[in-house]
Amino acid sequence: EDKVVQSPLSLVVHEGDTVTLNCSYEVTNFRSLLWYKQEKKAPTFLFMLTSSGIEKKSGRLSSILDKKELSSILNITATQTGDSAIYLCAVAPGTSYGKLTFGQGTILTVHP
Amino acid sequence: KAGVTQTPRYLIKTRGQQVTLSCSPISGHRSVSWYQQTPGQGLQFLFEYFSETQRNKGNFPGRFSGRQFSNSRSEMNVSTLELGDSALYLCASSPDGTVVYEQYFGPGTRLTVT
Repeated sequence: EDKVVQSPLSLVVHEGDTVTLNCSYEVTNFRSLLWYKQEKKAPTFLFMLTSSGIEKKSGRLSSILDKKELSSILNITATQTGDSAIYLCAVAPGTSYGKLTFGQGTILTVHP
Repeated sequence: KAGVTQTPRYLIKTRGQQVTLSCSPISGHRSVSWYQQTPGQGLQFLFEYFSETQRNKGNFPGRFSGRQFSNSRSEMNVSTLELGDSALYLCASSPDGTVVYEQYFGPGTRLTVT
């Protein structure tokens, strides 16, 4: 059965800090890994990673995939209070239509 | 472009009743996936529809069912509600449901079963 594990489960930092969130996976026939941010209701899409070693970047957020280690990291630099959210990692197996397997999420709290 | 919409946003039902939730995908998206989110289990995949056909199903009992219409709108139904069905139900759409495309989520329907 496919499995995604995120760490840490929760993290409290102060504005301006840099954080690194981790995601490891076990999935049959891996095709892609996705990161989402969930604030109140709907998870919003951040990144989709399919190739190992290629960093994806959007503003202060960046992410990279390591297929050899079966893992990914999400970095957030110069954190702001608006970054407070649950960050979800999900994997998509290549043989399964429309199905994402999610990790339990990392709750990030950024204090002013 | 309008996002994924779900109705209703909140529902309170009694054990034993049934409920129908609705999801309208982003215009042009033909794949709709449904997920259940609970504090204990996180986000779990229910099923996926494409061109009115269920292509994939998660590990949920038969009380959970769904359908998709020709305009790609989708509904999910839960019969004989149990207390454990209380959850946030999310739908997500993508152009065709393959792993090439990311999924975009709606705001969810919060179901409370009493």
